[in-house]
Amino acid sequence: GENVEQHPSTLSVQEGDSAVIKCTYSDSASNYFPWYKQELGKGPQLIIDIRSNVGEKKDQRIAVTLNKTAKHFSLHITETQPEDSAVYFCAASIRGANSKLTFGKGITLSVRP
Amino acid sequence: EAGVAQSPRYKIIEKRQSVAFWCNPISGHATLYWYQQILGQGPKLLIQFQNNGVVDDSQLPKDRFSAERLKGVDSTLKIQPAKLEDSAVYLCASSSSSWGSYEQYFGPGTRLTVT
Repeated sequence: GENVEQHPSTLSVQEGDSAVIKCTYSDSASNYFPWYKQELGKGPQLIIDIRSNVGEKKDQRIAVTLNKTAKHFSLHITETQPEDSAVYFCAASIRGANSKLTFGKGITLSVRP
Repeated sequence: EAGVAQSPRYKIIEKRQSVAFWCNPISGHATLYWYQQILGQGPKLLIQFQNNGVVDDSQLPKDRFSAERLKGVDSTLKIQPAKLEDSAVYLCASSSSSWGSYEQYFGPGTRLTVT
């Protein structure tokens, strides 16, 4: 089955700096890669996703890049703010009506004011 | 648009007791998922429903866990009897599953503590 790994497990940045979170996946058939943000006591919130026919996608301060050959994808957050502090999860699935998400273990991002 | 609703938000039980969690998905979403999230880990899929049929329950410990979605809308997940290792957050998610749309939206979760 699919295996998704996240690196690093924790990340601390200064407010205003950029943060990059990387994930690798094992199943070359996976073609849908969402990123979720989870704040304390809340459920995961979808913040951006990318499909395998696209190499990069941006949404304001957030971008995701995908390298299918190397089987890794990354989340980029620019101009970080304290409210970006949370746990971020990457996931992978084979896109379809019955798609099943396999999640990484998550990374705790801390933005120092 | 209302999000995924779950109840209760917190539950504390003793081992060997039973517990049930309820989920109401986003209106119109045909697919419903139950995930287990152990502290410090990512969510792990327990069971997936398409309308009121089970699509994937390969990781559901069927000797103690059961789930149903009788009318294709809300769903109940039950644990009987509970073990200490069942302590986790139980997340419900839903997706519309219409072609081209696979985004899963999560509820706030139920935090279960088994003592």
